[in-house]
Amino acid sequence: KAGVTQTPRYLIKTRGQQVTLSCSPISGHRSVSWYQQTPGQGLQFLFEYFSETQRNKGNFPGRFSGRQFSNSRSEMNVSTLELGDSALYLCASSPTPGTPSYEQYFGPGTRLTVT
Amino acid sequence: AQSVSQHNHHVILSEAASLELGCNYSYGGTVNLFWYVQYPGQHLQLLLKYFSGDPLVKGIKGFEAEFIKSKFSFNLRKPSVQWSDTAEYFCAVINNAGKSTFGDGTTLTVKP
Repeated sequence: KAGVTQTPRYLIKTRGQQVTLSCSPISGHRSVSWYQQTPGQGLQFLFEYFSETQRNKGNFPGRFSGRQFSNSRSEMNVSTLELGDSALYLCASSPTPGTPSYEQYFGPGTRLTVT
Repeated sequence: AQSVSQHNHHVILSEAASLELGCNYSYGGTVNLFWYVQYPGQHLQLLLKYFSGDPLVKGIKGFEAEFIKSKFSFNLRKPSVQWSDTAEYFCAVINNAGKSTFGDGTTLTVKP
């Protein structure tokens, strides 16, 4: 079974621009979560989608948004990029929320650099 | 608010030494607890998890963790580390609403 895939793997953007990152979950997984990983701050939860609906949201400004499509693929968008948005953005998929273990499977991440 | 605290930011051990990484969480309800590992250049992968039953859980590569509810702790242990255990380790909590919180991570360096 193919793992979680994320595209692009690397991205360089300029401050003020916007960016869209894509995540394809493991086949059959319906829940997708997004995280921001930066040195010293660990993984910060952005949001979780299930059945095209945002189920949970972290404490990020409204510049960060996401969506999920009917095939469970998900995108996240960051508008008006700031230097502090430079990070590794991770996507994780789970079979179905509400299952006992909530085990998440992580993708390789998209490394975003804002200059 | 839900939070996770990993007390050790960087641990350096020699091969064959024993390992214990601390993890404490704060949340009033039922939680699911995880340890993830990120080897250099690789994806985050699950080491072990606890959601109910025996509080001592065993994971891959000889790792184990013990859930102590009264202490809100879920410490990771390994009796004898190897050089290949050099990685970053993350403790995580997911509540029954699906909200997840990760600790800041502990970098483990094992000297050969």
